[in-house]
Amino acid sequence: SQQGEEDPQALSIQEGENATMNCSYKTSINNLQWYRQNSGRGLVHLILIRSNEREKHSGRLRVTLDTSKKSSSLLITASRAADTASYFCATDRYDYKLSFGAGTTVTVRA
Amino acid sequence: GAVVSQHPSRVICKSGTSVKIECRSLDFQATTMFWYRQFPKQSLMLMATSNEGSKATYEQGVEKDKFLINHASLTLSTLTVTSAHPEDSSFYICSARDGRGRNTGELFFGEGSRLTVL
Repeated sequence: SQQGEEDPQALSIQEGENATMNCSYKTSINNLQWYRQNSGRGLVHLILIRSNEREKHSGRLRVTLDTSKKSSSLLITASRAADTASYFCATDRYDYKLSFGAGTTVTVRA
Repeated sequence: GAVVSQHPSRVICKSGTSVKIECRSLDFQATTMFWYRQFPKQSLMLMATSNEGSKATYEQGVEKDKFLINHASLTLSTLTVTSAHPEDSSFYICSARDGRGRNTGELFFGEGSRLTVL
């Protein structure tokens, strides 16, 4: 079942700007993951943050996790046209059955 | 990273026919695979969990006689949409967990299969 809610639903930014999207969830989790999906394609794993972690970086990506608020954010810095995609958060409740959020569609304008 | 191959990427069939979608882990053994369904501009909904050598477990509301899942080997799971109807048209995506104990929590996704039922 879907337990994540993401906002905004859509985001349009200029190349070089930062993009921030948020994810909220309802139950306790083992970890939270972010995925990217290009139109009509499969999902690409971006980053995983465990429930005992608060912040994680990977290249131009920065993820935060606040388990007290049951929320996470994904920041993409210095965005590029190739970052145009839909981004999904997904929560894992210890059984690898991921529950996906509704997704944020990011458009990066050249 | 690990690669999951899904085939076919697109399939168009007539109403009433059955369609089989394959999901293969190419460079790792996947003891568990997951099947998701995605409607246009929506999120992914977990349909079922496929376990090698045992029956699949289905999520609530998913008809197991409609969506047959077989996980006959450590590298292959198949989803068969039986007696397909237009409302079964969707994007089906599989994912697999590397069962060799790395336990990173990461799942590897196939490229998806777009089913259109006429």
